[in-house]
This record gives sequence, structure tokens and C-alpha cells, in this order.
Amino acid sequence: AQSVTQPDIHITVSEGASLELRCNYSYGATPYLFWYVQSPGQGLQLLLKYFSGDTLVQGIKGFEAEFKRSQSSFNLRKPSVHWSDAAEYFCAVGAYAAGNKLTFGGGTRVLVKP
Amino acid sequence: DAGVTQSPTHLIKTRGQHVTLRCSPISGHKSVSWYQQVLGQGPQFIFQYYEKEERGRGNFPDRFSARQFPNYSSELNVNALLLGDSALYLCASSFAEIATYEQYFGPGTRLTVT
Repeated sequence: AQSVTQPDIHITVSEGASLELRCNYSYGATPYLFWYVQSPGQGLQLLLKYFSGDTLVQGIKGFEAEFKRSQSSFNLRKPSVHWSDAAEYFCAVGAYAAGNKLTFGGGTRVLVKP
Repeated sequence: DAGVTQSPTHLIKTRGQHVTLRCSPISGHKSVSWYQQVLGQGPQFIFQYYEKEERGRGNFPDRFSARQFPNYSSELNVNALLLGDSALYLCASSFAEIATYEQYFGPGTRLTVT
């Protein structure tokens, strides 16, 4: 069965500082990996995804993530955080045989200090 | 273009009652998935429908059921409501039934069971 762990429940970062959110997954084959962002009162928005190929993927809003098979990780990074990046971030895993089903981690809430 | 729409936005029900939640996918999308997001947790997969057929079911009791209509809209029904059913219910639509196609999430329906 697939599972996703996001070890950090909350992260506080100063505006302009770098951000890294951790994600570890468990899946037997090559997974499909996703990062979503959820702002208060809104649905989920896809930031980026990894299916195969280059292990460093670029997404929207200046985010990037790196797939490391040896560590079963897919960490999200942003070089310089803006106040508008304050939100909850979810890592998710999918699989070819699972249709559209995504398994989500518990989320990391990001607070941005001025 | 309209995104995924869900109705109602909020509702309050009493234990033991029944509830129907509705979802309209993005035009041209044939796959609809439902997720339950309990406060402070990541979304959990409930159902996926594609071309009006159930293609996936998560680990939820039989009190939960769904269907997809010829216009690809969908309903999620929950019978005999329990306090633990209080959550944000998210609908996601996709052009196809595999995870490599991006899923677009609606804003959700906030269900409170008292």
C-alpha cells in the first residue's frame, strides 16, 4: 500500500528566506509524486509533479522538487519565500494501477514572518 | 472557464441524517474523484468515477456511496451520519482516469454533523 509522511507539521520562515518541505513516500514501484498547496477556504492547487525522467522538477510560483529514489523522498524547495506562500502544503503519491487515486501526507503548514 | 464547482458550500446536519453533496467537473473532464479531509489531516480518497462507472473505492464504510451522471457531474451520498463524518469534502476532476493527467480540485463542501 502507498503511504506518505510529511515529518514537519508546522514551519515558520521569514519572508525572503529559503524554504524546504520534506516528504517521504512508501511504494513498491516507481511512484507518481505531487505537491499541492491549499490556501484557507480553497481547494488544492497543483504546484508540480514527477512521473519519470529528470529528478529535479520545476513548478509554478517558483517552487521546485527533487525526487531521490534512494531516500524515498520528494522534497519541495523555494529559494525566496513571499508572504503569499503562507498556506498548507501536501505531498501526494499516485500510481499507474491506481487510477486517479492519490494518497496524501498529513500536510505542512507554512507561516511567513514579515 | 469555470473550474470544478461544488454545492453546497457549507451544511450542518444531525447525527443519523442523510446528506447529498454535488460536484460539477470542468467541461470535457470525464473522471471525478471524491476526497474527505478531516480538520488537520490530508485528504483521503473515497471514490473515483470515470465514464459513469466506479473505478476506485477507498477504505470507507458502505454508508458512503456515489454516482456519476451522463453529463459527468457527480453526487456523493452519506447515510446515517456520524459525528466523525464532519469534514471538508473535496471533488476533483480530470480528463482521464490515470494519475498522469492533472486533477483539478473544487473548493469543497464543509459538512458539520452535530
